[in-house]
Amino acid sequence: KQEVTQIPAALSVPEGENLVLNCSFTDSAIYNLQWFRQDPGKGLTSLLLIQSSQREQTSGRLNASLDKSSGRSTLYIAASQPGDSATYLCAVSVSGVTLMEYGNKLVFGAGTILRVKS
Amino acid sequence: DARVTQTPRHKVTEMGQEVTMRCQPILGHNTVFWYRQTMMQGLELLAYFRNRAPLDDSGMPKDRFSAEMPDATLATLKIQPSEPRDSAVYFCASGLVPSATDTQYFGPGTRLTVL
Repeated sequence: KQEVTQIPAALSVPEGENLVLNCSFTDSAIYNLQWFRQDPGKGLTSLLLIQSSQREQTSGRLNASLDKSSGRSTLYIAASQPGDSATYLCAVSVSGVTLMEYGNKLVFGAGTILRVKS
Repeated sequence: DARVTQTPRHKVTEMGQEVTMRCQPILGHNTVFWYRQTMMQGLELLAYFRNRAPLDDSGMPKDRFSAEMPDATLATLKIQPSEPRDSAVYFCASGLVPSATDTQYFGPGTRLTVL
């Protein structure tokens, strides 16, 4: 059974710092890995998606890396801002055994609560 | 701006009552997911549908929960009878498989409180 762990559970940093969030998963047979952001009382928004054949993806100040063989991913946030304060969730897409199940079923970590202080 | 919509946004009910949550997926998406989020368990997949057919509902308590897609524009999650331990935020998400992005788009959630 796939399990996803995120470290740290919570993080508080001053504005402007670069930071790293960690995600690990137990089964390397994944289709892809995604990082989501969740603001209080809201749904999830996809930030970055890394296919299993890729090593990293970048979007603005965000960079996510994937090491499938070791079961790890990191989300790097450069020059953090108070607006980055949110919960960040990592999710892996479990490979299905049939075409109907191909990709797309996600297993989530518990998330990292980030607070960026101004 | 296409979005997943969910109703109601908040629901407070008493133990034993029936609860129905509704979701309108993004037009054209062929996959719909129901998740439950609690502080203790995090995000759990309850059920998902592809082309309106249930593919996996193993995460759902069968005795009291049921999920359906009466048509391509509506998914429902029903709890009968509801219990205090069902209190959580229920999210619906939709996606398109296969696709280049292969991501899921989440609705704002229904916050359910069972007294």
